[in-house]
This record gives sequence, structure tokens and C-alpha cells, in this order.
Amino acid sequence: ETGVTQTPRHLVMGMTNKKSLKCEQHLGHNAMYWYKQSAKKPLELMFVYSLEERVENNSVPSRFSPECPNSSHLFLHLHTLQPEDSALYLCASSPQGAIYGYTFGSGTRLTVV
Amino acid sequence: QKEVEQNSGPLSVPEGAIASLNCTYSDRGSQSFFWYRQYSGKSPELIMSIYSNGDKEDGRFTAQLNKASQYVSLLIRDSQPSDSATYLCAGATNNNDMRFGAGTRLTVKP
Repeated sequence: ETGVTQTPRHLVMGMTNKKSLKCEQHLGHNAMYWYKQSAKKPLELMFVYSLEERVENNSVPSRFSPECPNSSHLFLHLHTLQPEDSALYLCASSPQGAIYGYTFGSGTRLTVV
Repeated sequence: QKEVEQNSGPLSVPEGAIASLNCTYSDRGSQSFFWYRQYSGKSPELIMSIYSNGDKEDGRFTAQLNKASQYVSLLIRDSQPSDSATYLCAGATNNNDMRFGAGTRLTVKP
């Protein structure tokens, strides 16, 4: 496989559930990102990992928990979410940082019921 | 809050016309600028990047940057119905900070 792969593509979860989103990149990039995209709003940066080390947590609620076990994989663990957390969650990677541009994964459409 | 501003549209142009998409940014520290295309229900796809003042052309696409005016634009020549999408403007100040606009929805009518 090539590019950035996200699973699952769609997820419906109750507010008491625990689920995880997975992202995998096959580009040899050093930086990985989680973004949230809500309707009519700019993409919101959630987390940044550079060489597997978290370098930024953009004031994200603790019900979102990232994990980066290696430079190719990124997870977003979800628990006790709220309906307003329903959105498209996008993973992105970059060769060495944001100034080089991103390659996005296909996204996970999350619905919290 | 350092922002990237775009007209949300929709912008409608006839097939074969030039579509002009505009973007302004507030952070003078921004170094790199990008245009992403996002089809409905899909993820953003990088179509142009520009780093210095002036024009950059790639096929039917031309990106323009004016750092003094804090202005970025994207021109699409010979617009096709397949160009109908939302176009996101973004600027990056450093390795960990890329700011996105909310996007301009473009419709190209046959």
C-alpha cells in the first residue's frame, strides 16, 4: 500500500463507548497529525507527532487520547465522547513538518449518538 | 487568533472559464502556502504549494503569492466540471503549525 490509510472509514458510537481510529503512512514521513473537520469550519489541529514524539496538543479534551507507537502508525483513542464530537477526523503526514505540506488520509466519519 | 480567511462561496463559473479563488492570512510569520482540493465526502488533496512572492504555474493551475499584502490566490484556467469541489487555502508558519481557511466551494457548470 502507498499513501496514508485510515480505518475505519465510518464509525457510529454511543457516548459511553470506547473506540480507536487508526492511521498508517507508507511514505517514510517523519511527522503525523490528527485534524478535526466540522461542517463550515476550518480544519482544527488536534495533535502533532514528530519522530514518534508528541510535540503539540492543541487544547484537546482528554476524552481524545493519541498514541504513536512508531513513525508509521498513529492512533486516536476515543472514550465518553459527546454528540458535538461528531465530525470528519483526518490523519495527515509530512516529510519533516507543516512547511512541506501534508498528505491526508481518507478520513474517518465519526457520529456520536 | 491567527487566521486564514476565504470567501465561502459558492463560486460558480461556466465550463472553460477562469476560476479565481482568493485567500488572506493574518500571520506575517507564515512561510509556506498551500491549496488543497476537497471533493464532497473525501479528504483534502494537495494541488499547489507556493513559498515565494510571485506566480507558480502547474498545468491549468496558477498560484499567486503577495506577502506584502498577505494574499494568496489560485487561478484555474479552462475550468472543467470535474474541478467542482471545495478549495482550502492554508499557510504554515513552522514545522508544527498549518492554518486552514474554511474553504471556497467552486461549481463549474457545463
